[in-house]
Amino acid sequence: ETGVTQSPTHLIKTRGQQVTLRCSSQSGHNTVSWYQQALGQGPQFIFQYYREEENGRGNFPPRFSGLQFPNYSSELNVNALELDDSALYLCASSPLGGNGETQYFGPGTRLLVL
Amino acid sequence: KQEVTQIPAALSVPEGENLVLNCSFTDSAIYNLQWFRQDPGKGLTSLLLIQSSQREQTSGRLNASLDKSSGRSTLYIAASQPGDSATYLCAVNGPGGYNKLIFGAGTRLAVHP
Repeated sequence: ETGVTQSPTHLIKTRGQQVTLRCSSQSGHNTVSWYQQALGQGPQFIFQYYREEENGRGNFPPRFSGLQFPNYSSELNVNALELDDSALYLCASSPLGGNGETQYFGPGTRLLVL
Repeated sequence: KQEVTQIPAALSVPEGENLVLNCSFTDSAIYNLQWFRQDPGKGLTSLLLIQSSQREQTSGRLNASLDKSSGRSTLYIAASQPGDSATYLCAVNGPGGYNKLIFGAGTRLAVHP
């Protein structure tokens, strides 16, 4: 069984640019959540996708957007990058989209905005 | 609004000590609580998941308890080892209508030989 994978592992961008991060969910999982973890802090929920629809969003501006594809993989897009967007971005998948399910995390993408 | 707090923020102990990490949350209407381990620059490894109807879970040298009514959880690590050095994160699921985790800032643990 393949776990959650993310690409790229590291990324350097400049302020104002756009970035796309990718996540492949664990086999059989149809729900993907994205989290942002700034240095020294706990992860913060960005949004969740269930069967290709956004199914909840945290306190992040609209320049953070996402997609989920029919194979349940997902993308996180961030437009007009700001220095504060520098963080570890974590993707997590869960099986059925129900409340209280265990989430399985990928290794993360480290984004540095200069 | 659910808030999660972890105490202490950092802990340094000699090898072999038993230790307790604390987590508190403000809204008791949770589905479950999960403890994670995070090594520097890495993703999250799930250690223990406690459903809201449960009081504790054990895995090897780890034991996590949950007192939902008081909004508290503890992670007990027995006979600590240098390999236990990492950041330990507590996360609650709920309240809310979808599967969202709310994390504490973590406890950074260093176990020295």
